[in-house]
Amino acid sequence: EAAVTQSPRNKVTVTGGNVTLSCRQTNSHNYMYWYRQDTGHGLRLIHYSYGAGNLQIGDVPDGYKATRTTQEDFFLLLELASPSQTSLYFCASSGTGGSGNTLYFGEGSRLIVV
Amino acid sequence: AQKVTQTQTSISVMEKTTVTMDCVYETQDSSYFLFWYKQTASGEIVFLIRQDSYKKENATVGHYSLNFQKPKSSIGLIITATQIEDSAVYFCAMREDQGGRALIFGTGTTVSVSP
Repeated sequence: EAAVTQSPRNKVTVTGGNVTLSCRQTNSHNYMYWYRQDTGHGLRLIHYSYGAGNLQIGDVPDGYKATRTTQEDFFLLLELASPSQTSLYFCASSGTGGSGNTLYFGEGSRLIVV
Repeated sequence: AQKVTQTQTSISVMEKTTVTMDCVYETQDSSYFLFWYKQTASGEIVFLIRQDSYKKENATVGHYSLNFQKPKSSIGLIITATQIEDSAVYFCAMREDQGGRALIFGTGTTVSVSP
């Protein structure tokens, strides 16, 4: 079973603040993703990566940076947080090959920007 | 650009009955992959079932099955003999074969199963 761990699980920050969400996966998956979940919008892709040092832009990237430092670790950075970024953030990972389409999700990180 | 649409916001059913959820998708790619995921009340998101576009036979896993209608760009999820534990939010998702490995999700359908 793939293991994806996110931290922090809950975070409150002020407008203009700096936030880093961390994600670690322990199954040697090549692909990692950041999604945000909002009522009425489902899961929307922010950024993803297919390996250390690689970054691909998703569908809602504005206001977010991401960095993949190792195969295991993928970070989402909000450098000037805004109330519109209040959301539930999910990290996920997937491998390659026949089962590579299956995403394994972390537990989610709830961010509130006041 | 790819798009996934789930028009049913919520469905309520009685335990042990069958529930069907709709999903339509848009893609320019001739090869793609379709998925259903479940999000439980605790927030956990888990993979349920998948359909590859080149396969004609509908996928089935346990009491989950798919109704794949390729000409209509439709991939419905059918849950038979529903249980209370099937109460959850169900997401339809798609990945194009040529578009990397990122999944695009629909907005979800909330299913409530009553005893």
